[in-house]
Amino acid sequence: NAGVTQTPKFRVLKTGQSMTLLCAQDMNHEYMYWYRQDPGMGLRLIHYSVGEGTTAKGEVPDGYNVSRLKKQNFLLGLESAAPSQTSVYFCASSLTGVLYNEQFFGPGTRLTVL
Amino acid sequence: KQEVTQIPAALSVPEGENLVLNCSFTDSAIYNLQWFRQDPGKGLTSLLLIQSSQREQTSGRLNASLDKSSGRSTLYIAASQPGDSATYLCAVRLRAGGTSYGKLTFGQGTILTVHP
Repeated sequence: NAGVTQTPKFRVLKTGQSMTLLCAQDMNHEYMYWYRQDPGMGLRLIHYSVGEGTTAKGEVPDGYNVSRLKKQNFLLGLESAAPSQTSVYFCASSLTGVLYNEQFFGPGTRLTVL
Repeated sequence: KQEVTQIPAALSVPEGENLVLNCSFTDSAIYNLQWFRQDPGKGLTSLLLIQSSQREQTSGRLNASLDKSSGRSTLYIAASQPGDSATYLCAVRLRAGGTSYGKLTFGQGTILTVHP
């Protein structure tokens, strides 16, 4: 199993450009999450999904959109990138239900917006 | 609002020492607590998951305890090795009444350096 994979690993954008980050998991997990990690701020939840076709806002959703068209994929979109979105983005997934909900993380995407 | 604090922010120890990392949280209505390890430039690796009904979990040289009433968890690392050098993060999941999803709130991490 590859676990949680993220594409791309690195990206540099200019202000106003758009891009999509792809997260894929092969563990048949229902729940998927997008976080951003910034120095001094820790990890913060952007959006999450509790199943195919469903998404919900996290702590810091502004400026981002997500889609979960397939169970194994969770896409994070930036429609008009801003320098404040320079960060490391992590995707995670977990099994459904509350009894055992350990989150598994991808390797991250380092995004710089100039 | 749940706040998670990790102390110390950084720790440097000689190889072989036993050490303790601390995590505290303000809202005791948690479902579980998870400890992660993050290597520089890498993602997070789950180390231990403690459910709210549990007091501790062990994996190899790692032992994590949970005192929900006082809002504290500790990660004990026995006989530390240079390969243990990394950032250690704790995260708590709050109960979300009526739904199966509980938000995971992270601490800022403790940067551990184990020198030979």
